[in-house]
Amino acid sequence: GAGVSQSPSNKVTEKGKDVELRCDPISGHTALYWYRQSLGQGLEFLIYFQGNSAPDKSGLPSDRFSAERTGGSVSTLTIQRTQQEDSAVYLCASSPDRLMGEKLFFGSGTQLSVL
Amino acid sequence: DAKTTQPPSMDCAEGRAANLPCNHSTISGNEYVYWYRQIHSQGPQYIIHGLKNNETNEMASLIITEDRKSSTLILPHATLRDTAVYYCIAPYTGNQFYFGTGTSLTVIP
Repeated sequence: GAGVSQSPSNKVTEKGKDVELRCDPISGHTALYWYRQSLGQGLEFLIYFQGNSAPDKSGLPSDRFSAERTGGSVSTLTIQRTQQEDSAVYLCASSPDRLMGEKLFFGSGTQLSVL
Repeated sequence: DAKTTQPPSMDCAEGRAANLPCNHSTISGNEYVYWYRQIHSQGPQYIIHGLKNNETNEMASLIITEDRKSSTLILPHATLRDTAVYYCIAPYTGNQFYFGTGTSLTVIP
């Protein structure tokens, strides 16, 4: 079956422009995560969606970052007025449920480069 | 979250067992320990998880100490394709998966 799909795989933008990154989770997975990984660094948690509950936005670095998840499926991460420090790989993951022992399934990420 | 501590890097000879340690001394009784790995330029991949008992699957074995303050991931016969960053995670119940910087394992021919 299809895994987690992210698009675009690469995005180059100019400083100050807005970008939208898309994540298609595995069908039926209720939990969805966004992470950011800068070059040579570990994964930085951004936001978490679980079913119809209010998302956990505690990891978003600034109000330029926002995310939504429509219909409990596809998610879009939006970065407004991009800055050079936003350059990173943005990873999306989904999991079947928030029960103990769940596994996260990751997409291949979107490489964002802000010039 | 329970804080986890891992060595930043390790080497292992091809064909030998790779033993990757993780300290999680603040773990609570109902927190699982998860291991993921990330091969260069790919998203992280789930390996194994456990609560109290040792676990084994087709990828690896997980040994958790009786006091649950530490664990060891064992790759029984390391191959060059096992070169990756290995993350040990102990998320608090109801909280998120926080990845640290992990252990960079290099399998040497």
